[in-house]
Amino acid sequence: KAGVTQTPRYLIKTRGQQVTLSCSPISGHRSVSWYQQTPGQGLQFLFEYFSETQRNKGNFPGRFSGRQFSNSRSEMNVSTLELGDSALYLCASTMGGGTEKLFFGSGTQLSVL
Amino acid sequence: GENVEQHPSTLSVQEGDSAVIKCTYSDSASNYFPWYKQELGKRPQLIIDIRSNVGEKKDQRIAVTLNKTAKHFSLHITETQPEDSAVYFCAARDAFNKFYFGSGTKLNVKP
Repeated sequence: KAGVTQTPRYLIKTRGQQVTLSCSPISGHRSVSWYQQTPGQGLQFLFEYFSETQRNKGNFPGRFSGRQFSNSRSEMNVSTLELGDSALYLCASTMGGGTEKLFFGSGTQLSVL
Repeated sequence: GENVEQHPSTLSVQEGDSAVIKCTYSDSASNYFPWYKQELGKRPQLIIDIRSNVGEKKDQRIAVTLNKTAKHFSLHITETQPEDSAVYFCAARDAFNKFYFGSGTKLNVKP
């Protein structure tokens, strides 16, 4: 069974640009959540999608948005990039419906110059 | 909302010694507490988890304890090995299925 797949692995952007990250969950998983990881800050929850609907949202500005497709694949978009958006963005999938175990992808390392 | 605090931020032990990492949480409704290990440049991997109706769980050299009254839980690694060196994260899941993570503990096991 393939794991959670994130693309691309690395991204370099400049301030003001926008970026789209992709996440393909484990087959059969219907919930995808996104996290921002920065050194010393742990993992900060961005949002969670279940069956194409945003079910939970963290405390990030509206520049961060996401969506989920009918095949459970999810995308995250960040508009008007700022230097502080440089981070590792991880997505995780679960079966959904209260099943707990989160399985993470390898992440997309975003650098904003 | 939930707040998870994790200590220490760094931990250095000699190979063969035990390591203990502690986390506290604020929301008494949180009901599931996983621990993740993240090696450099790799994805976080679930190593052990515990539900709120259980006080202790063990898996070989790794154990987790939960004190619901005090709202804290701990990861115990016995007979540490160099391959245990990594960053460890605790997390708590609240009643709305949101996960909150601690800030991580960098464990260094010296051979």
